[in-house]
Amino acid sequence: SSELTQPPSVSVSPGQTATITCSSDALPKQYVHWYQQKPGQAPVVVMYKDNERPSGIPERFSGASSGTTATLTITGVQAEDEADYYCQSADSGGASPIFGVGTKVTVL
Amino acid sequence: QLQESGSGLVTPSQTLSLTCGVSGASVSGAIFSWNWIRQQPGKGLEWLASISHRGDTSYNPSVKSRVTISVDKPKNQFSLRLQSVTAADTAVYYCTRAVPKWSHYFESWGQGALVTVSS
Repeated sequence: SSELTQPPSVSVSPGQTATITCSSDALPKQYVHWYQQKPGQAPVVVMYKDNERPSGIPERFSGASSGTTATLTITGVQAEDEADYYCQSADSGGASPIFGVGTKVTVL
Repeated sequence: QLQESGSGLVTPSQTLSLTCGVSGASVSGAIFSWNWIRQQPGKGLEWLASISHRGDTSYNPSVKSRVTISVDKPKNQFSLRLQSVTAADTAVYYCTRAVPKWSHYFESWGQGALVTVSS
């Protein structure tokens, strides 16, 4: 079965760029979506269909996907961006959704 | 809008039951699927079950033998039943709406319902 591989943690200073990767053999055939989750809150979509940003999400969030790796980039990180970030896609056949293990972004 | 409801405390070996009330959309609509996702304490997100407008269901193999998802079209809601629960089923349970054709994009989430399994 397909798995989504994310780094467990990323640390970044305010104003710098945070890059979170998500890798899977299924990605060439599937979209990737990204969810931000802050403690005690439900996840919020920050990127969908690889690089589409929902309304209300700051422009500093961007997404890309190429081959087996997708990337969520936060340019000019702010303290409020500190959260867990999950990538999500589907298995290679598209039948079932799958989540990455999550990446904790720490703003130093 | 999605809103979970149900028992917050379940006895081990009993059945967990949750309902998700849907407003602003119809569970009969063809575009979306209706899903349950859970998050165990300190853990990541785990998709559990999905149901389409036609009633087609799909389950995570990790819970497939114990779980049932269903839709109540007149009440515009959908439900989750998880049998034979253990402490490992203690989690926040989210109901979500997904776009299946976009790799099951979870575009709308409920606020989550904490369910504790304990005697």
